[in-house]
Formats: sequence, C-alpha cells, structure tokens
Amino acid sequence: AQTVTQSQPEMSVQEAETVTLSCTYDTSESDYYLFWYKQPPSRQMILVIRQEAYKQQNATENRFSVNFQKAAKSFSLKISDSQLGDAAMYFCAYRSPYALNFGKGTSLLVTP
Amino acid sequence: NAGVTQTPKFQVLKTGQSMTLQCAQDMNHNSMYWYRQDPGMGLRLIYYSASEGTTDKGEVPNGYNVSRLNKREFSLRLESAAPSQTSVYFCASSQEDQGGQPQHFGDGTRLSIL
Repeated sequence: AQTVTQSQPEMSVQEAETVTLSCTYDTSESDYYLFWYKQPPSRQMILVIRQEAYKQQNATENRFSVNFQKAAKSFSLKISDSQLGDAAMYFCAYRSPYALNFGKGTSLLVTP
Repeated sequence: NAGVTQTPKFQVLKTGQSMTLQCAQDMNHNSMYWYRQDPGMGLRLIYYSASEGTTDKGEVPNGYNVSRLNKREFSLRLESAAPSQTSVYFCASSQEDQGGQPQHFGDGTRLSIL
C-alpha cells in the first residue's frame, strides 16, 4: 500500500505571509494523482488542489500552488498571502486504485 | 447543492448496540466510500463501492458491514458497537473509482461508544 508522510504536525504563519506544507509519498507506479484537502474546525473535507503525476507543470489554484517533485516523491503545498480563513488541518492524499491514502495531516495556525 | 449528505451528525451508543449510518449523494456519482478519522490520523478507508451493486473492503473493515442500496445511497452498519469504533465517520463519492476524479465528502458523523 502506498504511504503518505506529512512530517510537520503543526505550522504557523502570519497573515499575508507565505507558508509551505510538506508531503512525501511512496509508490512504484508511474501514473497517479495527488491531492491536498483542507479540514477546518467545521470538520468538512474540502478539496484544495489536485496534481496529475504525468503533468510536469505544477498545479495552481488562486493562492494555492504545489511543488511536485516526481523523482523525489515530494508534493508540497504553498499558500501565498495567508488569510485567517486558511487556518485548518491540511491533508495530503495519494489516489490509489480504489480510494485515497491520507497522511496524518498538518495543523496550520494563522496569526494576525 | 446538497452534494453528500450523512445522517446522523452525532450519535452516542452503548457497547453492543447496533447502528446504521446513512449516506446519500445527488451528483450521480458511480463510486462511494466510507472512511473513519481518529485523533491524530488521516482518514482510513473502511469500505467502498466502485459501482452500484458492488462493495469491497478497504483498510479497516472489521466490525462493519455496508450496503449499496442504489446509486445514490451507501450505508454503513455497526452490528455490535465497540469502544474502538469511536470515531468520526465520513462518506464520500466520486464519478469513478479510479483516476483523478476528486472525492466529495459529507460533513461527517461523530460516533461515541461508551
């Protein structure tokens, strides 16, 4: 089974600053999909961004972008111009054939 | 804009009681999933249904059963609840069971077993 590792249990960023959340994964496949999900205190799981492994270009969604390093099996999330509403748990996930394999999450605190 | 709807949102059970968690999606998705989330952990797959009429075990299926009632509905049953099943349960759906289609999640059910 593929494993997903998020090495930062907690991160803190000041409002308007940039923060990067790390994620590494283990797989022997060459074609796959990676996701970042956000879970605010409301408990909802909200899709932030998706990356297809066969695409070399890093995915971007407004203030959210990824740094996808396929050879290193690394998939970090960069949040620019951080806002108070970005405070949440962030989960990295690898799409295995039938479901998502999640990391343990990074708790992001945003300070004014 | 309902998406994925789970009921109930909260439930407290006694050890040995049974319960069914309900999930329905209105996006005409083929695949549906049940996950559990424990403190300090990511979500772990309990069961999934790739399409109507099929179900398969995920990573942590012991103590659970599922029913894909129709394309819209996928229920999770605890036959004899145990304290180890205290968790937050999420239902999700996606257009297909493989590939890059994202999964859409319900709001979760917080289940406590005493």
